[in-house]
Amino acid sequence: GESVGLHLPTLSVQEGDNSIINCAYSNSASDYFIWYKQESGKGPQFIIDIRSNMDKRQGQRVTVLLNKTVKHLSLQIAATQPGDSAVYFCAENKGRDDKIIFGKGTRLHILP
Amino acid sequence: EAEVAQSPRYKITEKSQAVAFWCDPISGHATLYWYRQILGQGPELLVQFQDESVVDDSQLPKDRFSAERLKGVDSTLKIQPAELGDSAMYLCASSLPVNTEAFFGQGTRLTVV
Repeated sequence: GESVGLHLPTLSVQEGDNSIINCAYSNSASDYFIWYKQESGKGPQFIIDIRSNMDKRQGQRVTVLLNKTVKHLSLQIAATQPGDSAVYFCAENKGRDDKIIFGKGTRLHILP
Repeated sequence: EAEVAQSPRYKITEKSQAVAFWCDPISGHATLYWYRQILGQGPELLVQFQDESVVDDSQLPKDRFSAERLKGVDSTLKIQPAELGDSAMYLCASSLPVNTEAFFGQGTRLTVV
C-alpha cells in the first residue's frame, strides 16, 4: 500500500558530526516532501521541504536530497548540536488532495 | 509570529465521557488538519478540511469521533464516548492550499482513564 517509512528508528551521532536521516516512500505520484522535527511534548516543526522537480535543497545547516529513481529521501544535518535531539519525520504530500502523510520517525540522539 | 492555537494542552477524562478539542489555525489558512499521534509513532491523519468542507475523513472513527469547522476558521474535534485506546496526542495543523507545508499546534495530550 501507500506509505512513507524510515529505515532506522534511532540514530546516535557525536556532537559536531553530520547526521543523515533516511526515508523511503512508495507512492511515485507524491510530488512534495517535507521534513519535520518533533521535540518531546511538542507539535512537529517544519524543517525543510522539496518538490519532486528538484533533487536537492539546502537550508541553514540542513540539506534534503530526493532520489526519485529509488524513491528515497534524506535529511542531512551539518555539525549536529545538542538542540538537534528530537524525532524527525518525513512526510509526503500527494498533491491535488493536499493530504500530508507521515512516516514512523527517527529519533536522533546526540552524544557528547 | 502566527501560530496554530490548540486548547486544552492536557485533558484527562474517564472512559465513556465526552471530550472536545479546539483549534484556531493561522489566519488565512484554508486547509486544516486533525492528526492523532500515539506515543512512539508518527501523526495519523484523522480529518482534513478545506474551508468549512471535509476533504478527507476516511480515517476518522465516525461512530465516536466528529469534527466540524462551521465558519471555515476554527475547528472542534469531539470524542463521545471516549475509550482507553483514545489516549494520544491530538494535533491540529493548517496550511495554505496546494503543496505547502503544514504548521502544527502544540497539541492536546488526552489521557483516558
